[in-house]
Amino acid sequence: DGGITQSPKYLFRKEGQNVTLSCEQNLNHDAMYWYRQDPGQGLRLIYYSQIVNDFQKGDIAEGYSVSREKKESFPLTVTSAQKNPTAFYLCASSPLGTGGSYEQYFGPGTRLTVT
Amino acid sequence: GNSVTQMEGPVTLSEEAFLTINCTYTATGYPSLFWYVQYPGEGLQLLLKATKADDKGSNKGFEATYRKETTSFHLEKGSVQVSDSAVYFCAPPRGGYQKVTFGTGTKLQVIP
Repeated sequence: DGGITQSPKYLFRKEGQNVTLSCEQNLNHDAMYWYRQDPGQGLRLIYYSQIVNDFQKGDIAEGYSVSREKKESFPLTVTSAQKNPTAFYLCASSPLGTGGSYEQYFGPGTRLTVT
Repeated sequence: GNSVTQMEGPVTLSEEAFLTINCTYTATGYPSLFWYVQYPGEGLQLLLKATKADDKGSNKGFEATYRKETTSFHLEKGSVQVSDSAVYFCAPPRGGYQKVTFGTGTKLQVIP
């Protein structure tokens, strides 16, 4: 079955440590996205990528970094510079093009807790 | 750029009540429109979509009609169940090369 996987589902880290969240898709989608969701809040875009080896900052990129070395993988690193990293992180992917519909497919999320 | 205005929540309804969640959009051209649903502790799932004006998307008893004259895509369900309790997101229209920025969604709580 095609889909998006995120691992782990729960992640705990000490303050000051970098942590990398995994996101893999086998849908052959060109575009991938990372969102952050805080309790009772909507989704805020961190980074997105439309093609391998290229990515753009979203609305809240400070303190985060990404890479896109393979089409199917888009890992997110939460660095120690992120002042409030505890949140629910969602990865998504979608096809690209000038025609058709572009719904996003979401992973199950990773809940990161930093203490 | 493309955007949506979605009704704020939370919305609390009794089981079997009628549901409407309003969504209006601004967009260039006539892109596809989407509603997503997020159940507690999970990622978002596509609930329904409409790909052109006057299309009606439907799924699980939910419906939304793409109305270009009022630039609206309101979500409706005739009789909600407790299991429909979730957060509903009207997704902004986007072209293939545009990023998507979601709003806060509308939280629905259905009580028995």
